[in-house]
Amino acid sequence: EAQVTQNPRYLITVTGKKLTVTCSQNMNHEYMSWYRQDPGLGLRQIYYSMNVEVTDKGDVPEGYKVSRKEKRNFPLILESPSPNQTSLYFCASSLEGRSNQPQHFGDGTRLSIL
Amino acid sequence: QKEVEQNSGPLSVPEGAIASLNCTYSDRGSQSFFWYRQYSGKSPELIMFIYSNGDKEDGRFTAQLNKASQYVSLLIRDSQPSDSATYLCAVNLYYGNNRLAFGKGNQVVVIP
Repeated sequence: EAQVTQNPRYLITVTGKKLTVTCSQNMNHEYMSWYRQDPGLGLRQIYYSMNVEVTDKGDVPEGYKVSRKEKRNFPLILESPSPNQTSLYFCASSLEGRSNQPQHFGDGTRLSIL
Repeated sequence: QKEVEQNSGPLSVPEGAIASLNCTYSDRGSQSFFWYRQYSGKSPELIMFIYSNGDKEDGRFTAQLNKASQYVSLLIRDSQPSDSATYLCAVNLYYGNNRLAFGKGNQVVVIP
C-alpha cells in the first residue's frame, strides 16, 4: 500500500530534550515536506526536500532541522524543543518537486512539549 | 494580504444540498490549486486539483478556477453527513518548487 508513515504518532516530552520524528514513504517520491498545523494558523511548511541531499527552509524553520540521506526518509529533528513547538506535525510527499504534483500526507504526529 | 484566504465561517447545509466553498489567493503567478478534506484529528486528504481556468468535475465534487479573479471554489453536490469536515484550499505558489500555501480551512457540517 502506497503511504507516508510517521513515527511516533503521539509524544509528550520536556523542554530541551532532543527528539526526532521520522517520516518514510514507499512511493519513490522525490519531494518531501514537513508541515505544522496550529489552531487559527492553518498548515505551515517547515522544511522541504526536492531530492536526496537537497533541503531548504519553508515558512517556519526556526528550531527545526532535517536531513535527506535516502530518498524514502525525511526525519524532522528538534534539537532543543520548546513549548511553542507543541503542535500537530505532518509529513507529505509528491512524485516530483519540479512540477505541480499533489502532495500526500502522513497520519500526523501530535507533539506536546512541557 | 495573506497568500491564501478562506474567509467563510462554518457552513451548515442540509443533507442533499449543495455546499459551496470559496478561496482567494494573492500570487497571480500561481499554477496549481488543490482542495483537501480533513476530518478532525486526521491528516489532509486530497479530493480535487485543478490547473486550468474553468470547471473540473469528479463525482459529487466540482472545482472551479478563475485565474483572472484569483479565486478557486469547490462545490459539493448531494451533500452527505460523511462530507462533514474541514476543507483546505492549497495553492502551489512557485512553479518548479512544489511549495504549498494553505488557507485556514472552512468547516462544513451536513445536517441529516
